Formats: sequence, structure tokens, C-alpha cells
Amino acid sequence: EAGVTQSPTHLIKTRGQQATLRCSPISGHTSVYWYQQALGLGLQFLLWYDEGEERNRGNFPPRFSGRQFPNYSSELNVNALELEDSALYLCASSLASGGDYNEQFFGPGTRLTVL
Amino acid sequence: AQSVTQLGSHVSVSEGALVLLRCNYSSSVPPYLFWYVQYPNQGLQLLLKYTSAATLVKGINGFEAEFKKSETSFHLTKPSAHMSDAAEYFCAVSGFLGGYNKLIFGAGTRLAVHP
Repeated sequence: EAGVTQSPTHLIKTRGQQATLRCSPISGHTSVYWYQQALGLGLQFLLWYDEGEERNRGNFPPRFSGRQFPNYSSELNVNALELEDSALYLCASSLASGGDYNEQFFGPGTRLTVL
Repeated sequence: AQSVTQLGSHVSVSEGALVLLRCNYSSSVPPYLFWYVQYPNQGLQLLLKYTSAATLVKGINGFEAEFKKSETSFHLTKPSAHMSDAAEYFCAVSGFLGGYNKLIFGAGTRLAVHP
């Protein structure tokens, strides 16, 4: 069974540009989560999508946005890139949320570098 | 609000020695608690989780953790360290107040194992 996949592996952008990161969940999983792992800031929850809807959002500005497609894959978009957006972005997926915890399985991440 | 504190950003042990990684949580209601491991250039892998069943939780690769409500702790242990255990370890919490699907991570502990 294929795990969570993310693309691209590495992404280099300059300040002010937009970045698009992609995530494909494990087959059968309908929830997708995004986390940012920035140097010195640790792992922080960014977004949670379930059944195509944004369900929860971390403490990030609106220039961080995303969407979930009908096949449950997801995109994370970061507009007006800033140097401090440089980080490893991890995607995770889980079975449908039902008010209780469902184990999140993580992908290998996309390393975004902003110059 | 829920939070997690990992004591010691770096821990170094000899091969064959006991591994003890410390985690304390802050939550007004019993949370769900997790330990994840991250190898270099990889995503997160779940080692074990506590979801209000047995307080002593056994995980993969010989790791275990004990939930102690009175101490608000969830320390990770392994009786005998292997070279392959060298990685970064993250304690995380989720629960009703923060949302079961939002993982809040500690800052991480980098474990070094020397011969």
C-alpha cells in the first residue's frame, strides 16, 4: 500500500513569489493535514481538510491557503513568500474524522527554500 | 490551551544503555499523547500513542511510554539503545479542547547513540 506522497521534494523560490505544494493521501483516507517544520520554531499545525472542506486552521496568515480535491489530494499555496517561510512542509492523512482521533500518517515532506 | 514540553533538546547515550526522553504536557482534560520519530530527510513515523486505555503503552522498535496523570508526563523509554535509534523524537498531544485532529508538538529531542 502506497504511503502519503508529496511533491515536489524541494522547491526554491524568491521573496514575493507563490509556492504550490501537493499531497496525495493514502488510499481510503479522506482527511489531509499540513504542518510546517521551520528551523527554531518546531512543528506547527497549519491546516486540516476533510471531505473537501477546511476544518481547522493554525495560527498562520491568510497567505497560507489550500484546498482539497474530489480525489482527496490536496494543495498548499503560500502567496507573497517571505524568507521565514523557508521550512519543511509535512502533509499527513487519516481516515475520516468522526470526532475522535484517527492516526495521522506523514509524508516525506517538501522542503521550501525562499531566497 | 494544550502544550507539550520536551526536556533536553539533545540526548546522547551509549549503545546498549537505557534511553529516556522526557515529555510533559499541559491540558485541562486528559489528552491523547503520541511519540513520533523522524529520521534525517524523512517524515514522521508514529512510535506509540496513549488514548486513555492502558497507562503503559508499548510501541514499535522496543520503545514504551508511561502516562502519569499526577506528573502530567509521558516519558519515552527503551531498555537498550541501538545505533539505528539515532534520530529526532517528538512528543505530541491532541484532545477535545484543541481538536482531536490537531497535533501539537514539542520542540523535539535529538538522540545520539555512540558506540
